[in-house]
Amino acid sequence: GAVVSQHPSWVICKSGTSVKIECRSLDFQATTMFWYRQFPKQSLMLMATSNEGSKATYEQGVEKDKFLINHASLTLSTLTVTSAHPEDSSFYICSAREVKSIQETQYFGPGTRLLVL
Amino acid sequence: AQTVTQSQPEMSVQEAETVTLSCTYDTSESDYYLFWYKQPPSRQMILVIRQEAYKQQNATENRFSVNFQKAAKSFSLKISDSQLGDAAMYFCAYRSATSPGNQFYFGTGTSLTVIP
Repeated sequence: GAVVSQHPSWVICKSGTSVKIECRSLDFQATTMFWYRQFPKQSLMLMATSNEGSKATYEQGVEKDKFLINHASLTLSTLTVTSAHPEDSSFYICSAREVKSIQETQYFGPGTRLLVL
Repeated sequence: AQTVTQSQPEMSVQEAETVTLSCTYDTSESDYYLFWYKQPPSRQMILVIRQEAYKQQNATENRFSVNFQKAAKSFSLKISDSQLGDAAMYFCAYRSATSPGNQFYFGTGTSLTVIP
């Protein structure tokens, strides 16, 4: 199946710094990518939907100025956590949507673990 | 918004035995997809099985099968001949086939332990 990569796989940063996470679809074009956040032993919570060439759609309660999303190409979306704080520490997962004819499938990246000290 | 409920936070099964994980959902839509995802300790989400709502036949993938009851809005996963590698967190998910965005709605997950 299709592969989605995320980089970095884990990151530790100091409070107040910004962190950028990349999500790439390696062998297909993804017009839509999704960003999720997962706390330990909890489910995935959708943060935002990223559409290529347009502004991301954020879920209620997600600060768009804090979690900047850019989907500049059909194979790359980035999530930037600005002025990160310890409460932003979490596991961030992206998924990419592939559409082939009438069949649509979403593939998940391996996730990025963020620890803010 | 659609909701997905997994009422079993934890389940255990003896190796080689069969276990069923429950999932119910709430929607007013008629066209949608249902999924079971597995998340092992590596945290990578792995698609286990997928069901289109318009199909009456239950999906099967080797040892994995579902019992899809559309009227009851129930979508359970049966794992036969359980293996140690099946131990993981299992998430049931719903996705609309028609709504813009086509986002997933996930249940809270069931942690499956396989006892040797």
